[in-house]
Amino acid sequence: AQSVAQPEDQVNVAEGNPLTVKCTYSVSGNPYLFWYVQYPNRGLQFLLKYITGDNLVKGSYGFEAEFNKSQTSFHLKKPSALVSDSALYFCAVRDPRDTGRRALTFGSGTRLQVQP
Amino acid sequence: EPEVTQTPSHQVTQMGQEVILRCVPISNHLYFYWYRQILGQKVEFLVSFYNNEISEKSEIFDDQFSVERPDGSNFTLKIRSTKLEDSAMYFCASSDRSGRGSDTQYFGPGTRLTVL
Repeated sequence: AQSVAQPEDQVNVAEGNPLTVKCTYSVSGNPYLFWYVQYPNRGLQFLLKYITGDNLVKGSYGFEAEFNKSQTSFHLKKPSALVSDSALYFCAVRDPRDTGRRALTFGSGTRLQVQP
Repeated sequence: EPEVTQTPSHQVTQMGQEVILRCVPISNHLYFYWYRQILGQKVEFLVSFYNNEISEKSEIFDDQFSVERPDGSNFTLKIRSTKLEDSAMYFCASSDRSGRGSDTQYFGPGTRLTVL
């Protein structure tokens, strides 16, 4: 079974500082990994995904994520946080070996608060 | 930029009533999904739909739920007899077809369903 964990309910960071939102996964083999962001009263917006290849994935709005197979992690990062980055962030996983299953399994979400 | 749209944004209904949630997926996408998010909880997969039939469903998607693509643009989720615990935000998503299953799912803004 596939699963993903986001160990922090909330992350606080000052504007201009680097931010990290943590995600670890559990999938047998190499996973497909995704990050989504949810702003208040909005849907889930796709940020980036890891499929294969380069472990560092760059996405929208200056975000990037690093796939680390040995640590089974896919942490979301940004070098310099903006107040407008304040939102709820979800990590999601899919096991590519199960070609009949396309459902994403989401983590519980991490609320990012960027203070001015 | 094409996007998934959903109507209504908020639906209030009485327990036992039928509701239909509507979605217009991105026009060239072939896979369609419904997810739900109970307040304060993680996003959960309900069902996926491809080639006019359900391709996958979760244990949440019981006989009270059904999906339909009534025409070339709409994708609907029907709950036959709503229960209090059906209160949640319901997200529609769509993706194009990738043979490896690495396609990105794009989400709509959601319909907040409140069952009284």
